[in-house]
Amino acid sequence: GQQLNQSPQSMFIQEGEDVSMNCTSSSIFNTWLWYKQDPGEGPVLLIALYKAGELTSNGRLTAQFGITRKDSFLNISASIPSDVGIYFCAGQLRNAGNMLTFGGGTRLMVKP
Amino acid sequence: ETGVTQSPTHLIKTRGQQVTLRCSSQSGHNTVSWYQQALGQGPQFIFQYYREEENGRGNFPPRFSGLQFPNYSSELNVNALELDDSALYLCASSTAGRGNYGYTFGSGTRLTVV
Repeated sequence: GQQLNQSPQSMFIQEGEDVSMNCTSSSIFNTWLWYKQDPGEGPVLLIALYKAGELTSNGRLTAQFGITRKDSFLNISASIPSDVGIYFCAGQLRNAGNMLTFGGGTRLMVKP
Repeated sequence: ETGVTQSPTHLIKTRGQQVTLRCSSQSGHNTVSWYQQALGQGPQFIFQYYREEENGRGNFPPRFSGLQFPNYSSELNVNALELDDSALYLCASSTAGRGNYGYTFGSGTRLTVV
């Protein structure tokens, strides 16, 4: 089946630094999504991307839908302690209903 | 507006037993999806229910089954539990046709099989 490769798997960053993570797929998706999951909680949607090449921001977060439709990246600017958590990319195909294919996650840890 | 609620939050079962997990969808949502999230991994799609019928299924064996009720709540049933079934089970509700902004996850049920 389809797999999403997400990198890095984990990272420590200094508060105030920018963060970048990305996701690649062996096949195309119509929609790319980025979620954040805190301990003991379900994933929460951060950004949704619907068109190849689309660049979308949500506060300090910026994400792009790759032109090939097989990749996406998420940037977090000026990281703060509450950015700690696990970030997941997810892809969706239009003819697959609401089914999401998730990456393995990027665990973000911030040094205060 | 209430969110997606799942019960129980945690449970422990013995290998070979059966388990039922429950999900109440967010108010106004008519579609429910279930995901399995093993420790340290991303969620994997199990199946989706719409209008009380299964409407898509991932790569899970038939011992994973579900129901959706007229009030759009849902159950996930797993028979003949195996150790590898230990995971966080997430329910997500949405409204057909509203796209991903309406896709809301619950906090999950942590199942441990011993």
